[in-house]
Amino acid sequence: DAKTTQPTSMDCAEGRAANLPCNHSTISGNEYVYWYRQIHSQGPQYIIHGLKNNETNEMASLIITEDRKSSTLILPHATLRDTAVYYCIVRVGSSGSARQLTFGSGTQLTVLP
Amino acid sequence: DAGVIQSPRHEVTEMGQEVTLRCKPISGHNSLFWYRQTMMRGLELLIYFNNNVPIDDSGMPEDRFSAKMPNASFSTLKIQPSEPRDSAVYFCASSLAPGLAGGLSYNEQFFGPGTRLTVL
Repeated sequence: DAKTTQPTSMDCAEGRAANLPCNHSTISGNEYVYWYRQIHSQGPQYIIHGLKNNETNEMASLIITEDRKSSTLILPHATLRDTAVYYCIVRVGSSGSARQLTFGSGTQLTVLP
Repeated sequence: DAGVIQSPRHEVTEMGQEVTLRCKPISGHNSLFWYRQTMMRGLELLIYFNNNVPIDDSGMPEDRFSAKMPNASFSTLKIQPSEPRDSAVYFCASSLAPGLAGGLSYNEQFFGPGTRLTVL
């Protein structure tokens, strides 16, 4: 799986958009970008994933650059409950059997009132 | 849906004792993962199962650790004998393997609330 690089920490004002970057310059063509987050004392929670195109769901948007070497997770209107560690994970998609996720250090996002 | 269920939520034991952690995956899921989280090492995969069969146990730290999945609705992680360095939060996660869900990339794992283990 390709290595990812994320900032250690970020702050965001409540109500503002939170933009979390992730570098994955060695990503290969069949690798997907996944985002999970972990709120303090809870298990990680899936947010979104994508391959090439930008993706949006009820939680967030994922913007992947055209060369796929980096991506940005966008929380459009951050709330205090979005304070968490956000993990960017790159891994191959698979068929027929699930495969493990490798969690790095992530970005600690703190949403400030 | 109750989500992934883990028990106990907290466990305090003395060094040398046997510890058994339990996990009930989401009904219908066919993959199960055990992770361990510490401040020093972050979130690490210990072992995972597909269709009740262990696929990769390379993350299991040593022979003191063992995991079983006797059926699709139950798994255990056992530490015997336990040591203070085993103190951590242990998470269980389950997922539906991609392909069976109709897509090739879908890899969402649903995590349980974790078991906080303290070995004195």
